[in-house]
Amino acid sequence: EIVLTQSPGTLSLSPGERATLSCRASQTVASRYLAWYQQKPGQAPRLLIYDASSRATGIPDRFSGSGSGTDFTLTISRLEPEDFAVYSCQQYGSSPRTFGQGTKVEIK
Amino acid sequence: QVQLVQSGAEVRKPGSSVKVSCKSFGGTFSDHGVSWVRQAPGQGLEWMGWIVPMIGTPSYAQKFQARLTITADESTTTAYMELSSLTSDDTAVYYCARESGGWAGHNYFDPWGQGTLVTVSS
Repeated sequence: EIVLTQSPGTLSLSPGERATLSCRASQTVASRYLAWYQQKPGQAPRLLIYDASSRATGIPDRFSGSGSGTDFTLTISRLEPEDFAVYSCQQYGSSPRTFGQGTKVEIK
Repeated sequence: QVQLVQSGAEVRKPGSSVKVSCKSFGGTFSDHGVSWVRQAPGQGLEWMGWIVPMIGTPSYAQKFQARLTITADESTTTAYMELSSLTSDDTAVYYCARESGGWAGHNYFDPWGQGTLVTVSS
């Protein structure tokens, strides 16, 4: 089973700042099969990024994903008020599919 | 646009079972996988298992192998998740999610159902 470790656990930033979230895998994620989801309190997760760097439909271009192998990054170029949430990475290159524990982006 | 609508909150006693439904509206149902993911209070997301309705054979995470049953009814475009031998550790929000593809399995999840809270308490 591939274990995904996200860092930091919490990121305290102000609107307009840049957010950089890390997701590290215990083994190589095949073919960059990695996704990022955003989750707000009381809501279901929403797909942001798939295949490590492809934005999902309707996702603003301030969200970008990068990385390969075992190291992946989600970047939010300029935080908007609605971006403060929990972000989780997920690998779907091997079974079982696994998720990271999440990074909370909070208002500083 | 695909939408997944799940059944309502449930309260169960330890040792019992719970069955949650997930009805799909729009798009195609049979050839896309449906996964089930749960989230315990204040915790991360945990994948439980999945099924491709047109194939009908589910696959489960090892942790749930003995007590999880996932099924799908193509005629009603509804998937089901049944978890048995419940304990307080199973208290969580349970989500269904449509997979981006079928049997090959290298699928991301989009969209997700709204979630169903299952509370296990004596």
